[in-house]
Amino acid sequence: DTEVTQTPKHLVMGMTNKKSLKCEQHMGHRAMYWYKQKAKKPPELMFVYSYEKLSINESVPSRFSPECPNSSLLNLHLHALQPEDSALYLCASSQLPGNNYEQYFGPGTRLTVT
Amino acid sequence: KNQVEQSPQSLIILEGKNCTLQCNYTVSPFSNLRWYKQDTGRGPVSLTIMTFSENTKSNGRYTATLDADTKQSSLHITASQLSDSASYICVVSLGPKGNKLSFGAGTTVTVRA
Repeated sequence: DTEVTQTPKHLVMGMTNKKSLKCEQHMGHRAMYWYKQKAKKPPELMFVYSYEKLSINESVPSRFSPECPNSSLLNLHLHALQPEDSALYLCASSQLPGNNYEQYFGPGTRLTVT
Repeated sequence: KNQVEQSPQSLIILEGKNCTLQCNYTVSPFSNLRWYKQDTGRGPVSLTIMTFSENTKSNGRYTATLDADTKQSSLHITASQLSDSASYICVVSLGPKGNKLSFGAGTTVTVRA
């Protein structure tokens, strides 16, 4: 299984809602990533988890809260988002942390904040 | 200033024709360079990954080249197909101890019948 899955595929939420994005991989990878991608722009790194511990937070607002319950799962909890947070949210994983390892991306969750 | 510059921003080619995309980078220290294909609204899919010691790498009709001295890479698409219509992103990774990748803005390729 060389797949990273993400749910839901699409999400529409109001600014007062609380929702969560989910990411799963069964490749035994020990590093997982959240990226945000606006239209016609490259992905921007948000968070990195190494061995289930948060290792990088790219100064992301606290309305985004990541969680790594186990080595296969990565969640992104959303609360009080703004319309400008609408974007494609990509999850990725790599065998180990570090730039020598290939990152495998999921299909993304298209988020719209109204 | 972005450390990874791609050109052209977009291009249109006829089915069956070849095309070449360019990537120039200033990232240092350099670990490896990757080309990804991203269909609209989907996640990027890896095409090739090259370290500084590799000059060329192929994946089917996709061939990537790397000149680490001039810090340039290219992606050549041979005998283009309609399914090649996508954004092609050049990604350079910093020294091996980091976790951060530098993404280019991508080249949007449209293949027309």
